Amino acid sequence: AQRVTQPEKLLSVFKGAPVELKCNYSYSGSPELFWYVQYSRQRLQLLLRHISRESIKGFTADLNKGETSFHLKKPFAQEEDSAMYYCALSNSGTYKYIFGTGTRLKVLA
Amino acid sequence: DVKVTQSSRYLVKRTGEKVFLECVQDMDHENMFWYRQDPGLGLRLIYFSYDVKMKEKGDIPEGYSVSREKKERFSLILESASTNQTSMYLCASSAIGQEAFFGQGTRLTVV
Repeated sequence: AQRVTQPEKLLSVFKGAPVELKCNYSYSGSPELFWYVQYSRQRLQLLLRHISRESIKGFTADLNKGETSFHLKKPFAQEEDSAMYYCALSNSGTYKYIFGTGTRLKVLA
Repeated sequence: DVKVTQSSRYLVKRTGEKVFLECVQDMDHENMFWYRQDPGLGLRLIYFSYDVKMKEKGDIPEGYSVSREKKERFSLILESASTNQTSMYLCASSAIGQEAFFGQGTRLTVV
């Protein structure tokens, strides 16, 4: 069965500190992995996807198939990074799009 | 600019009412999804559709049904609304295996 696990409901860090939001998945095939972000009073939007290997707003995420992880990282957190972050998994074979429970990131001044 | 539009931002309905939530996308996407978003539970998939008139149950389909008569429109139906269906409902669409685009959400309160 497809599953996405985000173990932390809340992560608080100080401005300028490194950030790592954890995501683990279970899927037997080759999934597409994504990170979505929801800022206050805004709709959910894509932050990045593993296939593009981009850095967006200073965030990066590496797919580790051995550990079935897709952790989101940023070396220096900014206050504007405070938001809800969701890890998601999709697969072209099943069409389903599954999300984790989300991690709320609070960046403290 | 891509658009996924949900018909209502806020709805208040009475227990037992039949409720329709409408979603329209203008990107010609094959896939459309309905989720409910609850604190601590994240986004849970209710139903999804991969083509016109095609649908599959998600993780929490009980008490809900869906309709997709046209490619651009995906409706979520609460057959008999109950208080435990009070939630934020999110519609999304995507091309196969691609980024999902979300609507602004409908906050439904069942009293």
